[in-house]
Amino acid sequence: DTEVTQTPKHLVMGMTNKKSLKCEQHMGHRAMYWYKQKAKKPPELMFVYSYEKLSINESVPSRFSPECPNSSLLNLHLHALQPEDSALYLCASSPTGGSSEKLFFGSGTQLSVL
Amino acid sequence: ELKVEQNPLFLSMQEGKNYTIYCNYSTTSDRLYWYRQDPGKSLESLFVLLSNGAVKQEGRLMASLDTKARLSTLHITAAVHDLSATYFCAVVRGGYGQNFVFGPGTRLSVLP
Repeated sequence: DTEVTQTPKHLVMGMTNKKSLKCEQHMGHRAMYWYKQKAKKPPELMFVYSYEKLSINESVPSRFSPECPNSSLLNLHLHALQPEDSALYLCASSPTGGSSEKLFFGSGTQLSVL
Repeated sequence: ELKVEQNPLFLSMQEGKNYTIYCNYSTTSDRLYWYRQDPGKSLESLFVLLSNGAVKQEGRLMASLDTKARLSTLHITAAVHDLSATYFCAVVRGGYGQNFVFGPGTRLSVLP
């Protein structure tokens, strides 16, 4: 299994809602990532988990809350989002987080905040 | 601050032609990555270049890295329509294992 699976594929939420994005991989990778990608822009790193510990937080607002319950699973909890948070949210994984490794990306969750 | 630039940002070419996409970055790095993204889809890793002078080829695509010039190229040979996509280069920000900074992307359209 060489896939990173993200659910849901599409999400529409109001600014007062609470929702969660889910990411799963069964490749035995120990590093997992959340990226945000606005339309026609490059992906921007949000968070990195290495061996289930948060290792990078790129000054992301607290309305985004990551969670890594185990080495296969990564969640992104959303609360009180703003319309400008609408974007494609991509999850990725790599074997150990070393800088010579390529990232395996999921297909993303397209989020719309109304 | 690490900056990654790509040139051109948009490229329309005919099938069968050759072309090169350029990626420049602003600080020292010996690791550079190329990714492909189809419209509305996720990113697919194409090449990982890990040293000065590294060259990798797959099919009609060949990537190279010159760390002294802080330049990578992605050369397309005899383009086909299936290569139409956005191509991103990415460089690792110093001190962080996988803190990529992506270039703005080159949107390639191969016309029949």
